[in-house]
Amino acid sequence: GENVEQHPSTLSVQEGDSAVIKCTYSDSASNYFPWYKQELGKGPQLIIDIRSNVGEKKDQRIAVTLNKTAKHFSLHITETQPEDSAVYFCAAVTAWAGNMLTFGGGTRLMVKP
Amino acid sequence: DVKVTQSSRYLVKRTGEKVFLECVQDMDHENMFWYRQDPGLGLRLIYFSYDVKMKEKGDIPEGYSVSREKKERFSLILESASTNQTSMYLCASNKNPSLHQTATNEKLFFGSGTQLSVL
Repeated sequence: GENVEQHPSTLSVQEGDSAVIKCTYSDSASNYFPWYKQELGKGPQLIIDIRSNVGEKKDQRIAVTLNKTAKHFSLHITETQPEDSAVYFCAAVTAWAGNMLTFGGGTRLMVKP
Repeated sequence: DVKVTQSSRYLVKRTGEKVFLECVQDMDHENMFWYRQDPGLGLRLIYFSYDVKMKEKGDIPEGYSVSREKKERFSLILESASTNQTSMYLCASNKNPSLHQTATNEKLFFGSGTQLSVL
């Protein structure tokens, strides 16, 4: 089945700096890659997603890039703010496996004021 | 506003007890899911359901069962709780994108989770 690895497991940045979280996946048939943000005491919330026919997608301060050849995708957060502090999960969906999501292990991002 | 509600935020149970975790969604979603979240392991799918009375095993169904008697409600059952089931449990739901597709994990809406401790 699909295997998704996420790095780093923790990331500490200064407010205003950029943060990058990387994920690799194993199944070349994966075709959908969402990112979820989980704030303290809450469930994960979808923040951005990308499909395999697109190389990059942006939404204000966040962007996701996909390299299908290398089978990795990344979340980029620019001009980080304290409210970006959360746990971020990447995931990959494989159509042949009933469209089930496989999640990465998560990254705890801490933005220091 | 979209809402997935889990009945308990914290739960403490004894080994061997039968445990029920309840989840209700108000969005008329066809699909509902139960995940467990453990540090470093991400979210792992236990069971999901794409219709009333329908259920499918996820990646880690052992020791769990589920019930979906109504469209809006999905229950996770631990028949005999064990200490290795101490975890955060997350319920989620979403809508089928088309009539021809069954369960899909696209654009999940999650509840706030239930932290279960089995002593």
